[in-house]
Amino acid sequence: SYVLTQPPSVSVAPGQTARFTCGGDDIGSKDVHWYQQKPGQAPVLVIYNDSDRPSGIPERFSGSNSGNTATLIISRVEAGDEAEYYCQVWDSDSDGYSIVVFGGGTKLTVL
Amino acid sequence: QVQLVQAGAEVKKPGASVKISCTTSGFTFTNYYIHWVRQAPGQGLEWMGIYNPSDDSPTYAQNFQGRVTMTSDTSMSTAYMELNSVRPEDTATYYCARDPSTPPSLDYWGQGTLVTVSS
Repeated sequence: SYVLTQPPSVSVAPGQTARFTCGGDDIGSKDVHWYQQKPGQAPVLVIYNDSDRPSGIPERFSGSNSGNTATLIISRVEAGDEAEYYCQVWDSDSDGYSIVVFGGGTKLTVL
Repeated sequence: QVQLVQAGAEVKKPGASVKISCTTSGFTFTNYYIHWVRQAPGQGLEWMGIYNPSDDSPTYAQNFQGRVTMTSDTSMSTAYMELNSVRPEDTATYYCARDPSTPPSLDYWGQGTLVTVSS
């Protein structure tokens, strides 16, 4: 089965740039979606199709995807960005059905 | 506005079944897929399956096949997820989420339903 690998944690100071990686075999050939989850809340879609932002998501959030690594970037990090971030792709199971795969998540700590 | 509202918390004994509802509003229910995702305490997101209300067709994650059933009542714009033979490791928050298909992402989520399995 397809595996998405995310580092467990990222720490940045306010105003700096946070980078979150999501590793997977030839992930550049897939569309990657990113979710933000704050404690006690449901996830929120922040990036879809590698680099598109849903309405209401600040321009500070951007994404890229190439080769074996997709990246979510948060510029000018704010205290309110502290959350867990998950990447997600579609893959196929052994029966050929399309399935959703999530990465393990990365915890952002704002110093 | 788009809303997915889930039922309240449940407490179940091992071996029982739990059925969670997800009532939607603000969009045409049959034009979107519904995913079910769960999250054990302190853990990451685990996908359980996807359901198409327009033709009542589910696809279940292999980890849950044989134990999960996804259905809906289109007249109520409500999706359901039933998990059978629950065990303590099924203790988790269960989420429903909408998928517009284009793009195929989970763009709106319910608030979650905590299911606790304990004897």
